[in-house]
Amino acid sequence: QQQVKQSPQSLIVQKGGISIINCAYENTAFDYFPWYQQFPGKGPALLIAIRPDVSEKKEGRFTISFNKSAKQFSLHIMDSQPGDSATYFCAASRELTGGGNKLTFGTGTQLKVEL
Amino acid sequence: SQTIHQWPATLVQPVGSPLSLECTVEGTSNPNLYWYRQAAGRGLQLLFYSVGIGQISSEVPQNLSASRPQDRQFILSSKKLLLSDSGFYLCAWTDRGGGEAFFGQGTRLTVV
Repeated sequence: QQQVKQSPQSLIVQKGGISIINCAYENTAFDYFPWYQQFPGKGPALLIAIRPDVSEKKEGRFTISFNKSAKQFSLHIMDSQPGDSATYFCAASRELTGGGNKLTFGTGTQLKVEL
Repeated sequence: SQTIHQWPATLVQPVGSPLSLECTVEGTSNPNLYWYRQAAGRGLQLLFYSVGIGQISSEVPQNLSASRPQDRQFILSSKKLLLSDSGFYLCAWTDRGGGEAFFGQGTRLTVV
């Protein structure tokens, strides 16, 4: 059972445009929602993250919007650049029994920014 | 600063052969350690996690095992690889409070 649903699977945006990726979750025990950026052949790197007590977080050109009641969150990339072309994963984290945290990932969005 | 090392970067192994992937973390103490597998179109799946030396929890039944012989060392193993074990394996760590996970560069395993 997929607990974090991500869409779209792929996205093509013109340079300077806005890229929007959406995610929805089911488990209300999730308490941390990060977005990761991954380039081919590399491990994912944290881009931006939000906790459920905040509705929006902005860092540079990247913004997370969070709707707790709808159990949805989204990533907005403003002024998209060719260097933003990568795969983006949303994730949701919850505490594990005995310690540690489990990140449940969405299936990823391949973003291509065209000139 | 903290760094995470994972090796090898790529590996081609025959079916039935053993496997050992190693991950080490530097610059932090008592990290939580994780092994993930990434399959195309399916995101990342948590395989094992560890909150301390010798403490291993498995998230999914499989042909693999994990061990944590030292505080900052995490090993993924198999006695006999299957074709279905092919994939991109990622090691990650978080601090005790959870939150941000830092990933290694991954190992591309191809079982032939």
